[in-house]
Amino acid sequence: IAGITQAPTSQILAAGRRMTLRCTQDMRHNAMYWYRQDLGLGLRLIHYSNTAGTTGKGEVPDGYSVSRANTDDFPLTLASAVPSQTSVYFCASRAQGLGNTEAFFGQGTRLTVV
Amino acid sequence: GQQLNQSPQSMFIQEGEDVSMNCTSSSIFNTWLWYKQEPGEGPVLLIALYKAGELTSNGRLTAQFGITRKDSFLNISASIPSDVGIYFCAGQRHLNFGNEKLTFGTGTRLTIIP
Repeated sequence: IAGITQAPTSQILAAGRRMTLRCTQDMRHNAMYWYRQDLGLGLRLIHYSNTAGTTGKGEVPDGYSVSRANTDDFPLTLASAVPSQTSVYFCASRAQGLGNTEAFFGQGTRLTVV
Repeated sequence: GQQLNQSPQSMFIQEGEDVSMNCTSSSIFNTWLWYKQEPGEGPVLLIALYKAGELTSNGRLTAQFGITRKDSFLNISASIPSDVGIYFCAGQRHLNFGNEKLTFGTGTRLTIIP
């Protein structure tokens, strides 16, 4: 089934541990994004990638890193998790170009840092 | 960063009632989008607006792109139980080709009372 897949769906993580959230899409979309969703704050952009091999910082990048080795995968890494990174994380992808504006979202990863 | 003010934050309505929510921004956007998120899912696009003044319908949903390009509203007529969820507005500025990022509002949580 075509779409965007995130793993894991949920995780409880000890503070200080390293964690990589996985995101894979099979729609051959150029652009991919990572958002975090927190109550009352909506969706905030962490990092993005306009095409394979390039990445950029979003609104709240600190404590997170990404890589884009190929078109399909866009992993998000927390090098040393802190409790404030407890959130629901959404990966999204979209085809680039004016008018191709629909972003498709994964089902989310619920991360709890304790 | 850019701010999108979305209101109301939450709504409790009876089935059959009409719903209205809006988003305002201090910045101009070239595109306005409305998404719906159901529990445990990622946001799904409802309506996309591309021109100032544009009024677009999708079934019982109607959305408008404000003339100033700094606001948008979404109306839902004759609400039904499956309308329950969180509605997000999103604005997009076409900075340059290949660099169109979305800024999301804080969301409106819709609850329908039987």
